[in-house]
Amino acid sequence: ETGVTQTPRHLVMGMTNKKSLKCEQHLGHNAMYWYKQSAKKPLELMFVYSLEERVENNSVPSRFSPECPNSSHLFLHLHTLQPEDSALYLCASSPDRAGANVLTFGAGSRLTVL
Amino acid sequence: DQQVKQNSPSLSVQEGRISILNCDYTNSMFDYFLWYKKYPAEGPTFLISISSIKDKNEDGRFTVFLNKSAKHLSLHIVPSQPGDSAVYFCAAPSRFSGTYKYIFGTGTRLKVLA
Repeated sequence: ETGVTQTPRHLVMGMTNKKSLKCEQHLGHNAMYWYKQSAKKPLELMFVYSLEERVENNSVPSRFSPECPNSSHLFLHLHTLQPEDSALYLCASSPDRAGANVLTFGAGSRLTVL
Repeated sequence: DQQVKQNSPSLSVQEGRISILNCDYTNSMFDYFLWYKKYPAEGPTFLISISSIKDKNEDGRFTVFLNKSAKHLSLHIVPSQPGDSAVYFCAAPSRFSGTYKYIFGTGTRLKVLA
């Protein structure tokens, strides 16, 4: 496997469910990100991890909980979501260095909350 | 505060003609810019970038121009092909709590007509 892999690609859950999104990067990058893309809205940064250390993003509700066990894996734990949380959730990674710092995205996890 | 702006939500171009997508930014500290292409239900893919020390970068049919005094960049696609139909995002990395966060524009949907 190469690049950034996200699973599952599609997820349907009820508002009381607990589920997790998984992301794995095979690029040796130091930083990993969760973005949210809703219809007709710009890409919204949710969380950033640099060398497994979380960089806070205060605007994200606590029903979204990230976890970064190592520099290659990133999870987004979902609990008690709302229908408006339905969106495409994108994981990305970057080398995290100054200069030519290209962000590489996964294919995304399409989440539907009923 | 939208630091990266794409004011044209959509653009239609005939096949074989030039497509010009525009992006404006407000933060003069940005020193690197990226363009991404996104197909429906997929993650954005990196297309081309430019450093602020240059005013032009070319890669095949794609050329990005940077005008630092105007805080403006543009992506030129020549000749345009139907497969170029997608949403295009410009982005800039911004130093944030010891790492980088990537600020994205709202995107321009390009439709290339056969």
